[in-house]
Amino acid sequence: SYELTQPPSVSVSPGQTARITCSGDALPKKYPYWYQQKSGQAPVLVIYEDSKRPSGIPERFSGSSSGTMATLTISGAQVEDEADYYCYSTDSSGNHSVFGTGTKVTVL
Amino acid sequence: EVQLVESGGGLVKPGGSLRLSCAASGFTFSSYSMNWVRQAPGKGLEWVSSISSSSSYIYYADSVKGRFTISRDNAKNSLYLQMNSLRAEDTAVYYCARQLVHSVALDYWGQGTLVTVSS
Repeated sequence: SYELTQPPSVSVSPGQTARITCSGDALPKKYPYWYQQKSGQAPVLVIYEDSKRPSGIPERFSGSSSGTMATLTISGAQVEDEADYYCYSTDSSGNHSVFGTGTKVTVL
Repeated sequence: EVQLVESGGGLVKPGGSLRLSCAASGFTFSSYSMNWVRQAPGKGLEWVSSISSSSSYIYYADSVKGRFTISRDNAKNSLYLQMNSLRAEDTAVYYCARQLVHSVALDYWGQGTLVTVSS
């Protein structure tokens, strides 16, 4: 079955830039999406269709994609950005969705 | 305000069945595809199933295909997940989520309902 691979953890100091990668064979043809999940809460969509931000999501969150790799960038990370982040996309058929393995972002 | 409220979770023995419900409000339910996503304790998110607005298109993850059935009742603004032949590895918080039109993005999520499969 299709898989999206992320690094288990990323650590940055406040104000620095955090980059989270997501690797998948179908990403050249299928959009990546990104979710933030804080402890005990439901996930929140932070980036959709490569680089679009839903309303209410701070501008410091941005997305990009090249080939089989998608990247979520948090520019000037804040303490409140500490969370688990998941990429999300579909397989090449577009019928089966999949979440990435998840990345824990620590800001300290 | 968009609201999704799951119910029906609980403790069930291996091999048993459970039916989850998701009550939707604050939007035109019949216009949106809906999804179920689960998260085992301490683990990552796992997409489970999706159903199109008119129930014409239904898809399942390989891990639940043949055991789970997704359905909806647009007249009642409700989404369902019938879970049969439950296994310990089905233990998770189950979320219902709305899918953006012309996209696979899940833009609104419920708070989840916990299903525990244990003897």
